[in-house]
Amino acid sequence: AQSVTQPDIHITVSEGASLELRCNYSYGATPYLFWYVQSPGQGLQLLLKYFSGDTLVQGIKGFEAEFKRSQSSFNLRKPSVHWSDAAEYFCAVGANFGNEKLTFGTGTRLTIIP
Amino acid sequence: DVKVTQSSRYLVKRTGEKVFLECVQDMDHENMFWYRQDPGLGLRLIYFSYDVKMKEKGDIPEGYSVSREKKERFSLILESASTNQTSMYLCASRDTASYSNQPQHFGDGTRLSIL
Repeated sequence: AQSVTQPDIHITVSEGASLELRCNYSYGATPYLFWYVQSPGQGLQLLLKYFSGDTLVQGIKGFEAEFKRSQSSFNLRKPSVHWSDAAEYFCAVGANFGNEKLTFGTGTRLTIIP
Repeated sequence: DVKVTQSSRYLVKRTGEKVFLECVQDMDHENMFWYRQDPGLGLRLIYFSYDVKMKEKGDIPEGYSVSREKKERFSLILESASTNQTSMYLCASRDTASYSNQPQHFGDGTRLSIL
């Protein structure tokens, strides 16, 4: 069975600082990987996705993520955060044979301080 | 853009009531999903539907049922609401008309309180 671990429950960074959110997955083959963001009181919005090919994936809002097979990781990064990035971030993994189900991590809440 | 609409943002019901949560998508997606979201637990899949009249249990189906009579609409039913079903409920849909694994698109959620 697939699983996702987001080891950081809550992260606080200063506005303008760089950001890295960690995600580790467990899956027997090459997975499909996703990062979603949830602003307070809202649903989830897709930031980026990885299916195959280039292991560095660019997403919306200036985010990127790197797939590292050897580390079973798919960490999310942003070089300079903005106050509007304060939200909860979810990593998710799906099977690569068309299985519709995703398994989500428990999320990382990001706080931005001025 | 895909639009997934959940009929209520906030809902308050009483213990024992039968509760209906409605979700509509406008992109003719085959797959639809219901999740519940609780602090520290992330999103957990309740039920999903491959297509009209087709459904499959997710990870936590107990106490819930679903209905998909039309492709665009997926309803979650709490047969007899209990206080431990107080939660945020999220609906999602997904297109399968492609070889690549398409992402799920989410609605804004329904925050349900059972008193």
